[in-house]
Amino acid sequence: DTAVSQTPKYLVTQMGNDKSIKCEQNLGHDTMYWYKQDSKKFLKIMFSYNNKELIINETVPNRFSPKSPDKAHLNLHINSLELGDSAVYFCASSRRTYANTGELFFGEGSRLTVL
Amino acid sequence: DQQVKQNSPSLSVQEGRISILNCDYTNSMFDYFLWYKKYPAEGPTFLISISSIKDKNEDGRFTVFLNKSAKHLSLHIVPSQPGDSAVYFCAASAKNTDKLIFGTGTRLQVFP
Repeated sequence: DTAVSQTPKYLVTQMGNDKSIKCEQNLGHDTMYWYKQDSKKFLKIMFSYNNKELIINETVPNRFSPKSPDKAHLNLHINSLELGDSAVYFCASSRRTYANTGELFFGEGSRLTVL
Repeated sequence: DQQVKQNSPSLSVQEGRISILNCDYTNSMFDYFLWYKKYPAEGPTFLISISSIKDKNEDGRFTVFLNKSAKHLSLHIVPSQPGDSAVYFCAASAKNTDKLIFGTGTRLQVFP
């Protein structure tokens, strides 16, 4: 039974399209995150939510909009996709708000390719 | 500005020998450090962590060493096993922040 699950795992789309990636965790954690791993393999935080409240919003274009309908779900919607958005997007969750008191549990990643 | 650096993109070690993966950081506010392991097509999984009040933490075959004055930490795996072949990410966070800053990873290959 997958703890943090993301869908879809692979997504190929054209520039200018709008797409969403969904994430669900069944660990009972309060905090969820989106990380982006780009072509240089940097794994960078984009957003974090604690119990549906936005905690971290890094310098991410406003084309990216996270939505947390409840604390078990954190979806990522991307408008007007650009070539540079191609990356692997990882969802994660943790037991506590502060990352340094609890490990992150990651999903398997969603590989987005923008053509 | 890369605050967490893993300067070795890859490492190859013979089975049974010690693997040493290194990580350097620049932010003196970091006080908690973690290592994650990642297999292909999977998300990173937590391996071991260390608080800045310690200089060593051990868990089975895995030991993490922290040298605060040098802003350096290392992960030792002994003995190395083929199943340890993966990408290892070093990560750090500062007190009362919700951000983990990751390095770019080191690909470890353990051969028979």
